[in-house]
Amino acid sequence: AQSVTQLGSHVSVSEGALVLLRCNYSSSVPPYLFWYVQYPNQGLQLLLKYTSAATLVKGINGFEAEFKKSETSFHLTKPSAHMSDAAEYFCAAHWGYQKVTFGTGTKLQVIP
Amino acid sequence: KAGVTQTPRYLIKTRGQQVTLSCSPISGHRSVSWYQQTPGQGLQFLFEYFSETQRNKGNFPGRFSGRQFSNSRSEMNVSTLELGDSALYLCASTVGAADTQYFGPGTRLTVL
Repeated sequence: AQSVTQLGSHVSVSEGALVLLRCNYSSSVPPYLFWYVQYPNQGLQLLLKYTSAATLVKGINGFEAEFKKSETSFHLTKPSAHMSDAAEYFCAAHWGYQKVTFGTGTKLQVIP
Repeated sequence: KAGVTQTPRYLIKTRGQQVTLSCSPISGHRSVSWYQQTPGQGLQFLFEYFSETQRNKGNFPGRFSGRQFSNSRSEMNVSTLELGDSALYLCASTVGAADTQYFGPGTRLTVL
């Protein structure tokens, strides 16, 4: 079955350090891929999405993600963490007309 | 363009009651999906409606139902509420099948 896996339910980084949040999908067919961010008591907000146009995707707030077909991965990175990046991040995949599949989420803590 | 709106934002009910939540998608969006989010289970897909037809359904009991109107507004209903139904219910709209989901702020349901 098609699925999305996020490694690490909690990630802590120091302010100014690299942020790396991992996402892998399981499918022989590459899906559309998304990263969303959720702040407390709010809905999800799109950070970026991959739709096969380019493997390196740049999003909002300085985030980017690279699609690697050979690794079935779509990891999210940011060169320098900011306190305002503390939130929960969700990776999601969509295969055509099927429902969107979300990962279990990664809570990012930024340590001052 | 106005975003996805959900009403009410907060709701308190008692066990056995029923509840109806409303979602108004972004103008022009024809697909509406519903999700339940809890600390223990994470983000779980409930159902998706497209042009007034249920297109996908998650693994929830029949107490959970939904519908979509001709103006794309959607409602979800939960009958015979249980304590475990306490959650943040999120609605998301998209233009078409494989597009970005835009989320509303959610309805926080508390069942006492």
